[in-house]
Amino acid sequence: GQQLNQSPQSMFIQEGEDVSMNCTSSSIFNTWLWYKQDPGEGPVLLIALYKAGELTSNGRLTAQFGITRKDSFLNISASIPSDVGIYFCAGPDNYGQNFVFGPGTRLSVLP
Amino acid sequence: DAGVIQSPRHEVTEMGQEVTLRCKPISGHDYLFWYRQTMMRGLELLIYFNNNVPIDDSGMPEDRFSAKMPNASFSTLKIQPSEPRDSAVYFCASSSNPGTLSGNEQFFGPGTRLTVL
Repeated sequence: GQQLNQSPQSMFIQEGEDVSMNCTSSSIFNTWLWYKQDPGEGPVLLIALYKAGELTSNGRLTAQFGITRKDSFLNISASIPSDVGIYFCAGPDNYGQNFVFGPGTRLSVLP
Repeated sequence: DAGVIQSPRHEVTEMGQEVTLRCKPISGHDYLFWYRQTMMRGLELLIYFNNNVPIDDSGMPEDRFSAKMPNASFSTLKIQPSEPRDSAVYFCASSSNPGTLSGNEQFFGPGTRLTVL
């Protein structure tokens, strides 16, 4: 079945630094979603991408839908302590009814 | 809307006991998903419903797990008998039609943290 891989698995950065993470798949996705999970909460959608090559921003977050449709990238600029959490990529499966989630990138921001 | 509501938020039980987790999806959403999250295995889809009908339960670990959706506003996930390895955070999520652009987002509940001693 479809599987998503995320890298890095975890990262520790200094407050104010920029962050980059990516998500890859062996199969094509028509939609990419990026979620963030705060400690003790459920995941919340950050950005949705619907077209290959699309670049979308949401405040300090920018995400891109890879041209091959097999990858996506999420960047966070000028990180702050509240950026701490787990970032998941996800997308609908081939049948459009189920969602596939990546294993997540755990981000820690050091003051 | 209050979002997806789950209860209880925390459950501690002893091995062998029955556990029932509850979920109220967002009104108007046709799809409901149950996930389990652990450090080792990440976020795993257990089962999902469309219009109250179970569509795919291939993620349900074993016969000890069962899920029902008697109506559009309520679902339960039951574990009987519970085992220590069932300890995890269980999330419920709902969405409108995932096949459409506007329905791609899943809204997650706050989760139920289950500890089986």
